[in-house]
Amino acid sequence: AQKITQTQPGMFVQEKEAVTLDCTYDTSDQSYGLFWYKQPSSGEMIFLIYQGSYDEQNATEGRYSLNFQKARKSANLVISASQLGDSAMYFCAMREGLDNYGQNFVFGPGTRLSVLP
Amino acid sequence: NAGVTQTPKFRVLKTGQSMTLLCAQDMNHEYMYWYRQDPGMGLRLIHYSVGEGTTAKGEVPDGYNVSRLKKQNFLLGLESAAPSQTSVYFCASSYLGQGGTPQHFGDGTRLSIL
Repeated sequence: AQKITQTQPGMFVQEKEAVTLDCTYDTSDQSYGLFWYKQPSSGEMIFLIYQGSYDEQNATEGRYSLNFQKARKSANLVISASQLGDSAMYFCAMREGLDNYGQNFVFGPGTRLSVLP
Repeated sequence: NAGVTQTPKFRVLKTGQSMTLLCAQDMNHEYMYWYRQDPGMGLRLIHYSVGEGTTAKGEVPDGYNVSRLKKQNFLLGLESAAPSQTSVYFCASSYLGQGGTPQHFGDGTRLSIL
């Protein structure tokens, strides 16, 4: 079974509007972390935001926020006030077994976001 | 401020040839990783290392070998390249630690096997 599911292969959003990229995950661990990375067309992987399984508040980093719903096992990325430079692939990833310094990182298939002028 | 550096950036090989991809990091990270990225499949972990002299298999290790003789370097080897190994390869590193220690990625190596 897929550990990370991103059901939106592609998304379009109008510039200055907000957009939500979906991510659901599957784990039996109690301690895990969820990450979002951005990959622009130039190819590099850029870390955006992190949410720990024990964090009670949703993570925020500038225009990025993570809508974490633990019971539903979802960790959606919200980008507010989209900019043309936000056009990229976005990957959701999970690190399991944090209590034991676990190193099993699993990535989802990604969502390609296109911001329209 | 180099971060994670991968060499080469591009390479074309013939089936059966061998080669080594080099990853170097200057952040004193304990952990290092090799991933491959194929269209529609995201990143898949090939091998990783939790410290100098140690390596472990990831999700797709077959056909690859790795070595971590120095803390700052992580080598990925293809002994007999196959067309199925055509991919973009990413190296990453991270600190030892619990919680939200993100991985820092290199810029990738685009490898084509003919």
